[in-house]
Amino acid sequence: AQSVTQPDIHITVSEGASLELRCNYSYGATPYLFWYVQSPGQGLQLLLKYFSGDTLVQGIKGFEAEFKRSQSSFNLRKPSVHWSDAAEYFCAVGVVSEKLTFGTGTRLTIIP
Amino acid sequence: DAGVTQSPTHLIKTRGQHVTLRCSPISGHKSVSWYQQVLGQGPQFIFQYYEKEERGRGNFPDRFSARQFPNYSSELNVNALLLGDSALYLCASSLGGDTQYFGPGTRLTVL
Repeated sequence: AQSVTQPDIHITVSEGASLELRCNYSYGATPYLFWYVQSPGQGLQLLLKYFSGDTLVQGIKGFEAEFKRSQSSFNLRKPSVHWSDAAEYFCAVGVVSEKLTFGTGTRLTIIP
Repeated sequence: DAGVTQSPTHLIKTRGQHVTLRCSPISGHKSVSWYQQVLGQGPQFIFQYYEKEERGRGNFPDRFSARQFPNYSSELNVNALLLGDSALYLCASSLGGDTQYFGPGTRLTVL
């Protein structure tokens, strides 16, 4: 069975600093990989996705993620965070894109 | 274009009752998936429907059921509610084999 690990429950970053959120997955082949963001009380917004091809994926809001097959990782990065980036971030994997397994999430706090 | 819509926004039920949650997908999307998100956790897959047929089911008891209508909207039904069913229920739609887009969710509280 596939699984997703987000080892950081909570991360605090200063505004303007760089950000990296970790995601490791377990699956026999390369699954579809996603990062979603959730603001309090809201649904999930897709930041970016990886299906195949270039392992560095660009998303919305200045986010990017890099797929590393050898490490079974799909870490999310942003060079300079903004206060509006404070939210919960979820990594997800799936054999097909509609049946996703999510990680437990990383809560991002931004300090001035 | 309207995104995925869900109703109601909030719902309070008591143990043993039944609940029906509704989802309208993005226009043109034929696939609808349902997820349960318990507070402090990531969403957990419940069902996927495509062209009115069940295409997948997660590890949930038979108290949970769903269906998809000819207009591709969907209902999630939960019978004999338990306290542990309290959660945010998310609906997502896609064209089929493509990226899912999520609705705002229905917050269910079971007392």
